Amino acid sequence: AQKVTQAQTEISVVEKEDVTLDCVYETRDTTYYLFWYKQPPSGELVFLIRRNSFDEQNEISGRYSWNFQKSTSSFNFTITASQVVDSAVYFCALSDSNLYDYKLSFGAGTTVTVRA
Amino acid sequence: DTAVSQTPKYLVTQMGNDKSIKCEQNLGHDTMYWYKQDSKKFLKIMFSYNNKELIINETVPNRFSPKSPDKAHLNLHINSLELGDSAVYFCASSQDSMSGQIAYNSPLHFGNGTRLTVT
Repeated sequence: AQKVTQAQTEISVVEKEDVTLDCVYETRDTTYYLFWYKQPPSGELVFLIRRNSFDEQNEISGRYSWNFQKSTSSFNFTITASQVVDSAVYFCALSDSNLYDYKLSFGAGTTVTVRA
Repeated sequence: DTAVSQTPKYLVTQMGNDKSIKCEQNLGHDTMYWYKQDSKKFLKIMFSYNNKELIINETVPNRFSPKSPDKAHLNLHINSLELGDSAVYFCASSQDSMSGQIAYNSPLHFGNGTRLTVT
């Protein structure tokens, strides 16, 4: 069975601070995908990144960076120099690569509040 | 030119009623999904359809009946609504393909959600 754990329920920071969101996953599959989605207060789900299990390279996109560590089954997400617009719920998710039986298992989400 | 659109955005109704939520995607994807987000923000898959065929049904009560008239549409009909059905329902789509024995699935593109309130 697949499981995603986001141990941090809420994180509150002051603008310009860095914030790291933890994500730990469990799966028996050797091929799988990891995702991060953002849900701002307006409610939509915004895709941020997908990483497949064969690619352990860290990725940076602007102020966002992701650290994938297969050895510890973690896929952590860092927002550098946070801004008020980063306030949202962030979800980590996991899927296997079964064609047509493709479903995301989401973590419980981490609510990030960035104060001005 | 919204990629995945759902209507209505808000739905308030009384227990026992029947209601539908519509979803359309213009991305040319062949797989569509319904996810439910409960009051604690927990997201869970309900159904998936590939080219109008039901693929995943995650032990959802049979009061929920998805219908896919074509691969661009996946509607959700709910009979005899109950208080516990109150949630945000998200439609999503993805494109799936095979290369040899390896499956590739594109990231899910979600609609903006429908907030259902049952009173």
